[in-house]
Amino acid sequence: EIVLTQSPATLSLSPGERATLSCRASQSLSSLLAWYQQKPGQAPRLLIYDASNRATGVPARFSGSGSGTDFTLTISSLEPEDFAVYYCQQRSNWWTFGPGTKVEIK
Amino acid sequence: QVQLVQSGAEVKKPGASFKVSCKASGYTFTTYPMHWVRQAPGQRLEWMGWINADNGDTKYSEKFQDRVTITRDTSSSTSYMELSGLRFEDTAIYYCTRAPRGEYWGQGTLVTVSS
Repeated sequence: EIVLTQSPATLSLSPGERATLSCRASQSLSSLLAWYQQKPGQAPRLLIYDASNRATGVPARFSGSGSGTDFTLTISSLEPEDFAVYYCQQRSNWWTFGPGTKVEIK
Repeated sequence: QVQLVQSGAEVKKPGASFKVSCKASGYTFTTYPMHWVRQAPGQRLEWMGWINADNGDTKYSEKFQDRVTITRDTSSSTSYMELSGLRFEDTAIYYCTRAPRGEYWGQGTLVTVSS
């Protein structure tokens, strides 16, 4: 099973600041990594697929990068609605999810 | 538009089973496999398994291999996920989500295991 680790566990930032979230895989994923946003009481929402492709309707302030084992989700300027939990997910070998990064208001 | 609508919440006793349905609309059901994912309270998302909606082939996570069964009914465009031998730690929200990328999710079904 491919294990994903995410850092940091919690990110405390203010609206307008830049957020940088990391995800590391236990083996190479090529580019088969996705990022999801989840808010309380809601299903996850796909933001980025295949490492760097924004899903339909996702604002341009969200961007993904990386390949192999190291990946990054960047939110260029946090909006109030961006405070949530973010999960990375691999689909190189079936699916696994990371433990999540909570982006909270500072 | 693509929609995945799941069945309602359930309360079950330890040792029992439950079966959640996921009705798809807005696309040709047999074109895309369906994944099932669960989330226990305060925990990460956890992949349970997958079904090829066209031919019915399945793949299960090793963790759930002995207890989970995923099926589909092409006539009603519905996928089902059944979990048996319930334990308290199976209390979770269960989701269906369409392959390949997980861009469409059901609303989730809360299953509570309680004596």
